[in-house]
Amino acid sequence: EVQLLESGGDLVQPGGSLRLSCAASGFTFSSYAMNWVRQAPGKGLEWVSAISGSGASTNYADSVKGRFTISRDNSKNTLYLQMNSLRAEDTAVYFCAKDKSIVPTSSFFESWGQGTLVTVSS
Amino acid sequence: QLVLTQSPSASASLGASVRLTCTLSSGHSRYAIAWHQQQPEKGPRYLMKVNSDGSHTKGDGIPDRFSGSSSGAERYLTISSLQSEDEADYYCQTWDTGIQVFGGGAKLTVL
Repeated sequence: EVQLLESGGDLVQPGGSLRLSCAASGFTFSSYAMNWVRQAPGKGLEWVSAISGSGASTNYADSVKGRFTISRDNSKNTLYLQMNSLRAEDTAVYFCAKDKSIVPTSSFFESWGQGTLVTVSS
Repeated sequence: QLVLTQSPSASASLGASVRLTCTLSSGHSRYAIAWHQQQPEKGPRYLMKVNSDGSHTKGDGIPDRFSGSSSGAERYLTISSLQSEDEADYYCQTWDTGIQVFGGGAKLTVL
């Protein structure tokens, strides 16, 4: 059974940094692209970033480009999201999602985690 | 620009059927989409992929009550024999080089 467990969410001040983690199990982690998706309070889903199975290729939404960095450690079956220069509008629940494909942004998401809450506020 | 449009809400009675619609933007009518369900206070759950020809591939354990279809730029999710646990938000998703796109979501109320 595929399991995705996010962690690292916290309350952080504007301009601060935070690193999220997503521990994966139940599948061959390196064979699938992975994604981060966020959901602001009371709002819909917003794709944030994607990374290929090898980690060599990444993609970002314009809203986070230059501030967020996605990475993965295939030896630890873990996905990361480094978030810098955080803004109030980054406040959201952050989900990790397993792609159907090894190539990012070429297919849909077939498994999701439960999410971790990031609050950006002074 | 690749955009998915969903009506924000729908409602139907217990035991009835409902069809949700996701519309692809102009020039993207042949794109496949995926449907996801998000129950209150939970992470989303993949339901199915719907192709432009109307064929669909469901996720593991998705009941037969859920089906997908297509017409032109519209992609549909039909839920029959509605149950109380079907009350949720439903999102469509599509993709292109370098991006993933979600529709705004549709809140389904089971009366």
